[in-house]
Amino acid sequence: GAGVSQSPSNKVTEKGKDVELRCDPISGHTALYWYRQRLGQGLEFLIYFQGNSAPDKSGLPSDRFSAERTGESVSTLTIQRTQQEDSAVYLCASSLAEGYEQYFGPGTRLTVT
Amino acid sequence: SQQGEEDPQALSIQEGENATMNCSYKTSINNLQWYRQNSGRGLVHLILIRSNEREKHSGRLRVTLDTSKKSSSLLITASRAADTASYFCATDPSSGTYKYIFGTGTRLKVLA
Repeated sequence: GAGVSQSPSNKVTEKGKDVELRCDPISGHTALYWYRQRLGQGLEFLIYFQGNSAPDKSGLPSDRFSAERTGESVSTLTIQRTQQEDSAVYLCASSLAEGYEQYFGPGTRLTVT
Repeated sequence: SQQGEEDPQALSIQEGENATMNCSYKTSINNLQWYRQNSGRGLVHLILIRSNEREKHSGRLRVTLDTSKKSSSLLITASRAADTASYFCATDPSSGTYKYIFGTGTRLKVLA
């Protein structure tokens, strides 16, 4: 079946603008994760959703970052008033449930100029 | 240092040789996972080992877990040029959350 998809694949934005990144998880996967990966670095946890439970937002770096998920489907990560240090690849992953292997999307490369 | 640190940071070997990468972590875990990332295919899950397991195999991959030392190793046998990638371990602290912590990765280069 279809894997995890993310859109857009690339986004260039001016400093101070808001951006919205989208993730479509694999159907039936109850857990969804967002990560940030800066060039040459590992993955930095941002937030995860599990079913209808309250999301774990402990990785969000500032209040400019927020994320939502509609039920067990699409998720959007919003970054308000973007800064140059927000430039990175934003990766989304889904898994059947907590504690299972994660399937990653191709990522959204965000460049803030 | 952060949870889930891999070493070495970079490794270069000849095709056919074995490659060993290590991962150390700080807190107790539910499970540990290894992922591969290359520029063409993004992040791909390789193997998951649970805290009550000591060793797992998958094809040319062998993973060990030593919870007393809080460490894991990934062995790739008979390496191929296609194994060239970055390898990450990810741990989920057994603290009631499944927030995965990824290390900074080992960059493996397999020379043909």
